[in-house]
Amino acid sequence: DAGVIQSPRHEVTEMGQEVTLRCKPISGHDYLFWYRQTMMRGLELLIYFNNNVPIDDSGMPEDRFSAKMPNASFSTLKIQPSEPRDSAVYFCASSGLVGPQYFGPGTRLLVL
Amino acid sequence: QKEVEQNSGPLSVPEGAIASLNCTYSDRGSQSFFWYRQYSGKSPELIMFIYSNGDKEDGRFTAQLNKASQYVSLLIRDSQPSDSATYLCAVNRVQGAQKLVFGQGTRLTINP
Repeated sequence: DAGVIQSPRHEVTEMGQEVTLRCKPISGHDYLFWYRQTMMRGLELLIYFNNNVPIDDSGMPEDRFSAKMPNASFSTLKIQPSEPRDSAVYFCASSGLVGPQYFGPGTRLLVL
Repeated sequence: QKEVEQNSGPLSVPEGAIASLNCTYSDRGSQSFFWYRQYSGKSPELIMFIYSNGDKEDGRFTAQLNKASQYVSLLIRDSQPSDSATYLCAVNRVQGAQKLVFGQGTRLTINP
């Protein structure tokens, strides 16, 4: 199995620009998670989906953040407009009905 | 009180010794417990999960769970320099990995 795939791996953008992060979960997994990791706040859950439906988005920091999962093999996390404080590593993870979460390699975002 | 607490370290252990990593959690209803290892600049990688009180062994790793005292620990026997990483404890209220709450992580250094 290829594991969780994320793109891009690195993103540098200017404040105010739209940023779109992409994720392909492990085939057959029912759950998909978006996390953000910073030194100050650690690993934070932003939102998660079950069978393509958003279940809990209470971790999404602001309306500038949105996430979609149009099908079982693809999800996006969008930030519009981006701000310097959004700079972080964004991870996507997936899991089956039971069992552990498996993380993708992450997208390192820098907003100037 | 944080939901999941870990000593941030750094924890320094000589090569060949036993490294002991501890994690406490506040929600008595927690059912599943996970240990992830994260190398600098990489994504979290699952090491072990445990659901029942007691010990669970996998190679050089042993996870210990005490629900009455609300702590879970990870022991690494015969520590190697390659074990140097940050170790993240994660907890969930149900069996399975949905909506994990992560601790801040303990940075472990194995000294040759």
